[in-house]
Amino acid sequence: KNEVEQSPQNLTAQEGEFITINCSYSVGISALHWLQQHPGGGIVSLFMLSSGKKKHGRLIATINIQEKHSSLHITASHPRDSAVYICAVVVDSNYQLIWGAGTKLIIKP
Amino acid sequence: DAGITQSPRHKVTETGTPVTLRCHQTENHRYMYWYRQDPGHGLRLIHYSYGVKDTDKGEVSDGYSVSRSKTEDFLLTLESATSSQTSVYFCAISDLGVGTQYFGPGTRLLVL
Repeated sequence: KNEVEQSPQNLTAQEGEFITINCSYSVGISALHWLQQHPGGGIVSLFMLSSGKKKHGRLIATINIQEKHSSLHITASHPRDSAVYICAVVVDSNYQLIWGAGTKLIIKP
Repeated sequence: DAGITQSPRHKVTETGTPVTLRCHQTENHRYMYWYRQDPGHGLRLIHYSYGVKDTDKGEVSDGYSVSRSKTEDFLLTLESATSSQTSVYFCAISDLGVGTQYFGPGTRLLVL
């Protein structure tokens, strides 16, 4: 079993829909990252969080440390949000990063 | 955008040849990382550096070596390339070991 699991693996939605991507992990962590990989391959960091919630524009990331779960939400989704979204956790025992396999999101106009 | 570049961006080589990929940063960040990305896998750490001449292995380090003689440059070397090393290679930098990582544009390597 992978230590970081993302769901769903693939998600197709219509423009304007509210999107939720989930990340569950089984190790103790000190922080969690959400990143976006564009269709062209570039990788951009979106959030780093260790508790609560962060918001940037239409993106919201939440984390529940007790439940070992984080979600990334996109409000009013747009075709330009189409990308792979990747979750990564910082293991608190050794500060190594463990990466999820990613969620491929397609937003149709 | 963080000042981080990778060279070359694309390379085709033959099995058994040595290959060196370069990562260059202008941000003076302490930490530098090399990852590979393959279909069906998440990003996998090859090697990382926590300072000049200070490097350590990641989860998939076999067949790879690294060097960091200057803060701004982190080199990844495949001493004798194999077809299993065909991949997209990403370099990343971070000012803190657990902080946000900034990624380079990637290098597509094809080993025939």
